[in-house]
Amino acid sequence: QQQVKQSPQSLIVQKGGISIINCAYENTAFDYFPWYQQFPGKGPALLIAIRPDVSEKKEGRFTISFNKSAKQFSLHIMDSQPGDSATYFCAASLTSGSRLTFGEGTQLTVNP
Amino acid sequence: EPEVTQTPSHQVTQMGQEVILRCVPISNHLYFYWYRQILGQKVEFLVSFYNNEISEKSEIFDDQFSVERPDGSNFTLKIRSTKLEDSAMYFCASSRRRLMTQPQHFGDGTRLSIL
Repeated sequence: QQQVKQSPQSLIVQKGGISIINCAYENTAFDYFPWYQQFPGKGPALLIAIRPDVSEKKEGRFTISFNKSAKQFSLHIMDSQPGDSATYFCAASLTSGSRLTFGEGTQLTVNP
Repeated sequence: EPEVTQTPSHQVTQMGQEVILRCVPISNHLYFYWYRQILGQKVEFLVSFYNNEISEKSEIFDDQFSVERPDGSNFTLKIRSTKLEDSAMYFCASSRRRLMTQPQHFGDGTRLSIL
C-alpha cells in the first residue's frame, strides 16, 4: 500500500515539446507529492511539489496536475529543452512523516 | 547555495567487512536521512534521524545498519557486515524541519561496491 508507480520508464521528446510523466499512489493518507530531478552523478533535487488541496501547481515551465479521486498526479514540462534531460522521480509522503516513497523514475531525453 | 556533502564518492569493500559512509548535512538543518538506490531501481528510504535518535526506519534498515551523529557536523551510516546485495548508491539528505513541506536536500551519493 506504500507503493508509488511511475510511467513511462523513458521518454524522448523534441525541443519545444511537452513532456508528461505520470504517477499513481495507493496510500490515501499520503498528503505531499514532490517531484525530484536527478542529473547523472548527482543526487535528486526537489523540482516542484503539491498538496492534495489543490488540483494544479505551476512553477515556470513545470506543472503538477493532481487528481485525488483517481490517486494520480503528473508532471508536465512545457517547452522542453535539452537541459531538461534528466531522470525524474515522483514521490509521496505524509507531511507529518519523514519518509519519501519514490516512484521508479523516468529518464527524459530532449532532442535538440 | 549550501549543500549536503558525502564522502567517499566511491567505496569498494570486501563482503563481510564493515563500511562507514559519511555525510555533512547543511549546517542549520536538524533532520537527517539515508536513502539507497540499487542500480536501475527506485530510490528507497532507509532511516531518518533527529535529536540523536532514529525517527523512522524502513524494513531494509535491519540490525546490520546503524546511524550516528558523532559530532556537530557529521552524520554516518555504518553497515556492519556487508553483503553483495548492499551494493548501491547511498544518498544522505537533510532538512530544516521534519514536516515534508520543508524539502529534503540530497547529497550526490556514495557508490558502494561490495566484492
